[in-house]
Amino acid sequence: GNSVTQMEGPVTLSEEAFLTINCTYTATGYPSLFWYVQYPGEGLQLLLKATKADDKGSNKGFEATYRKETTSFHLEKGSVQVSDSAVYFCALSDREGGGADGLTFGKGTHLIIQP
Amino acid sequence: DVKVTQSSRYLVKRTGEKVFLECVQDMDHENMFWYRQDPGLGLRLIYFSYDVKMKEKGDIPEGYSVSREKKERFSLILESASTNQTSMYLCASSSNSGSKNIQYFGAGTRLSVL
Repeated sequence: GNSVTQMEGPVTLSEEAFLTINCTYTATGYPSLFWYVQYPGEGLQLLLKATKADDKGSNKGFEATYRKETTSFHLEKGSVQVSDSAVYFCALSDREGGGADGLTFGKGTHLIIQP
Repeated sequence: DVKVTQSSRYLVKRTGEKVFLECVQDMDHENMFWYRQDPGLGLRLIYFSYDVKMKEKGDIPEGYSVSREKKERFSLILESASTNQTSMYLCASSSNSGSKNIQYFGAGTRLSVL
């Protein structure tokens, strides 16, 4: 079956540091890959996505590249801010052409940015 | 913007009670989902629905049922609540057109079963 593995936190960084959160996946087909973010007390929000190999998703200074050869989708940001403190989830969907199937999530990485 | 609304942010129930969690979306999405979120386990899919009156089991359906009588509303039912169902419950919806596979989430309902 499908699975997503991501580094578990908490990950604590200083403001303006470089961020990498690793994510690798196992899937039977050609999945779409996602990063979702959950701020304290809120639901999940889509941060970025990539639907095919070598695609790069980007949003709010975050980037992730779909690497089929290493089955990875690592999240990066060049300079983090205190407001980036949240829980980050890597997820996949292997249902082409529609969303009528649940996403497979990693366990989440709690990111703490200190001023 | 897509809005997914869960009727309660916090609920406290007693063991054995029947519990209803309600979710409404306003974007005419075909698909709706219920997940539970637990520390160290991430999100796990309980049930989903791809059409009115249709439902499919997810990874952990035991102890739960669902109802989708209208397209915009998807209810999660705990027939007889137990303490191991204390959790955060998240509802989501998605479309079969446009931005496929993107799920939009509600703010969550934190349920405590005493």
